[in-house]
Amino acid sequence: ILNVEQSPQSLHVQEGDSTNFTCSFPSSNFYALHWYRWETAKSPEALFVMTLNGDEKKKGRISATLNTKEGYSYLYIKGSQPEDSATYLCALPPGSSNTGKLIFGQGTTLQVKP
Amino acid sequence: GAGVSQSPSNKVTEKGKDVELRCDPISGHTALYWYRQSLGQGLEFLIYFQGNSAPDKSGLPSDRFSAERTGGSVSTLTIQRTQQEDSAVYLCASSFPAGRRDTQYFGPGTRLTVL
Repeated sequence: ILNVEQSPQSLHVQEGDSTNFTCSFPSSNFYALHWYRWETAKSPEALFVMTLNGDEKKKGRISATLNTKEGYSYLYIKGSQPEDSATYLCALPPGSSNTGKLIFGQGTTLQVKP
Repeated sequence: GAGVSQSPSNKVTEKGKDVELRCDPISGHTALYWYRQSLGQGLEFLIYFQGNSAPDKSGLPSDRFSAERTGGSVSTLTIQRTQQEDSAVYLCASSFPAGRRDTQYFGPGTRLTVL
């Protein structure tokens, strides 16, 4: 069973701080890694799909890196704003068959204080 | 365009009753997924439909859970004889294509509370 770990579980930062959190996964049989943002009372929103070792992706103030050899991905938020408050989820497909089924980590809940 | 919609948004039921949760995927999306998030837990895969293929039911927690997808579009998740541990947010997602590198688009969820 694929084990996806996210840390920290929760994070409180001040507006303007930059922050980062981690998604860890087994380095063998890697196919793809998905990052989602889930704001309270809204639908989870896709941020990035990462597939290649060394991938770096950016969307506004949010960026992500991927290291498949050591089994981790970092998500960075530069200059956090209150609207960045959400739970950030990473997810990976569990096996060799090319289905969309995803195994999610427990998430990192970010609270940005004005 | 319209996103994934789910109904009801909230459902409160008594232990032992049956409930039906509905998902309307994005038009043209061939893959449909159900997940749930119980209190303090991560998102848990339940079931996956892809076109006319047999669904992947490997995540359904018990035989009280079933799902169908009619006409390759709308899906209904049915929970029979609900238990308190079934209380969770049930999320539906759809995608096209339907591979492991393809983005899934989520609905807003149904919050189920079993008293």
